[in-house]
Amino acid sequence: DGGITQSPKYLFRKEGQNVTLSCEQNLNHDAMYWYRQDPGQGLRLIYYSQIVNDFQKGDIAEGYSVSREKKESFPLTVTSAQKNPTAFYLCASSIGEMAGANVLTFGAGSRLTVL
Amino acid sequence: DAKTTQPPSMDCAEGRAANLPCNHSTISGNEYVYWYRQIHSQGPQYIIHGLKNNETNEMASLIITEDRKSSTLILPHATLRDTAVYYCIVSLMNTDKLIFGTGTRLQVFP
Repeated sequence: DGGITQSPKYLFRKEGQNVTLSCEQNLNHDAMYWYRQDPGQGLRLIYYSQIVNDFQKGDIAEGYSVSREKKESFPLTVTSAQKNPTAFYLCASSIGEMAGANVLTFGAGSRLTVL
Repeated sequence: DAKTTQPPSMDCAEGRAANLPCNHSTISGNEYVYWYRQIHSQGPQYIIHGLKNNETNEMASLIITEDRKSSTLILPHATLRDTAVYYCIVSLMNTDKLIFGTGTRLQVFP
């Protein structure tokens, strides 16, 4: 079945360590996104990529980095510069074309806890 | 993008219709209304979207008022599995990003 796979589902790290969250999709979607969700809050956009080798900052990009070397992969690195990294991280993808640009398919999420 | 207003929470009895309202009084003519839902600790799921006309799919119906300033998502026969947070989003069709608010927490009870 086509979908988005995020790993790991749960991750614990010490303060000051960089962490990379994986996101892989087999939907042949052009666009991919990373969102962050804090308890009781909506989703906030971190980074997004419309095509391979190109990405843009979202609303809360500080302390995060991404790469898009392959169409199916969009890993997110949470760096030590991110002041409050503990959160639920969600990866999504979409066709990217006008007709389906906003119909996002989400992964199951990765819950990061920084100790 | 226009902003939306949703009630923070609603209850619905199992088997009854759940009607979730959304106000978007500043919506522009080329902005669509999208609905997503998020079951606890999972990723959001796309439900439906529309521009002017009412829309229906296998999950729900979307009713948009004639002036487009508000809409209602209808789950015709709510089940316990429909308990989730429902997000109403207004956005251009070709935007680079969707803005999720805090949504409506729907609790379906037996």
